[in-house]
Amino acid sequence: DARVTQTPRHKVTEMGQEVTMRCQPILGHNTVFWYRQTMMQGLELLAYFRNRAPLDDSGMPKDRFSAEMPDATLATLKIQPSEPRDSAVYFCASGLATVNSGANVLTFGAGSRLTVL
Amino acid sequence: GQNIDQPTEMTATEGAIVQINCTYQTSGFNGLFWYQQHAGEAPTFLSYNVLDGLEEKGRFSSFLSRSKGYSYLLLKELQMKDSASYLCAVRDDEYSSASKIIFGSGTRLSIRP
Repeated sequence: DARVTQTPRHKVTEMGQEVTMRCQPILGHNTVFWYRQTMMQGLELLAYFRNRAPLDDSGMPKDRFSAEMPDATLATLKIQPSEPRDSAVYFCASGLATVNSGANVLTFGAGSRLTVL
Repeated sequence: GQNIDQPTEMTATEGAIVQINCTYQTSGFNGLFWYQQHAGEAPTFLSYNVLDGLEEKGRFSSFLSRSKGYSYLLLKELQMKDSASYLCAVRDDEYSSASKIIFGSGTRLSIRP
């Protein structure tokens, strides 16, 4: 049963601390998306990658957020320094995009719930 | 700009039928998705439409009209377990299946006995 694995599942930290969230996409998937979900904003796209290359991170606050894929099995989202307004659930999702288009259905991880005090 | 609109909340009765609408305005279009999300869980894929018309999958059907920027999700024979949020999402690049997928804010559906 293929799944997207995210760590940590829960994180409580103090304002100003660095937070790193990790995601292991499904083996063979070539696209990875990071979303943030809050009650007010719904699912916001932060960044996404295709074949490990960043395609769009315009949804991300550049001064404090960074997203990388050091290899095909790991995607990271880092916040430094964290602020209370960053409190949210962060989802990673992966999919398979092919030359012939296709759906590229996303499979989501369980999410990382971040609370910044 | 990009905009995806859905009703915030809906209520329906067990055994009945409910239709959840979604309208979108995006810079491009290359497919529309519906996802289901139970409280405290991750979204899971329900359906995909890229051409106009109706796609049926068991109790769930999804319709798309590209000219009207409109889709709906139809749920039949409602069950209590269908209580969840339903998210409409659009892939906004007509040239690539690897383009961004943008979500609406979701419709929270409550089923009453």
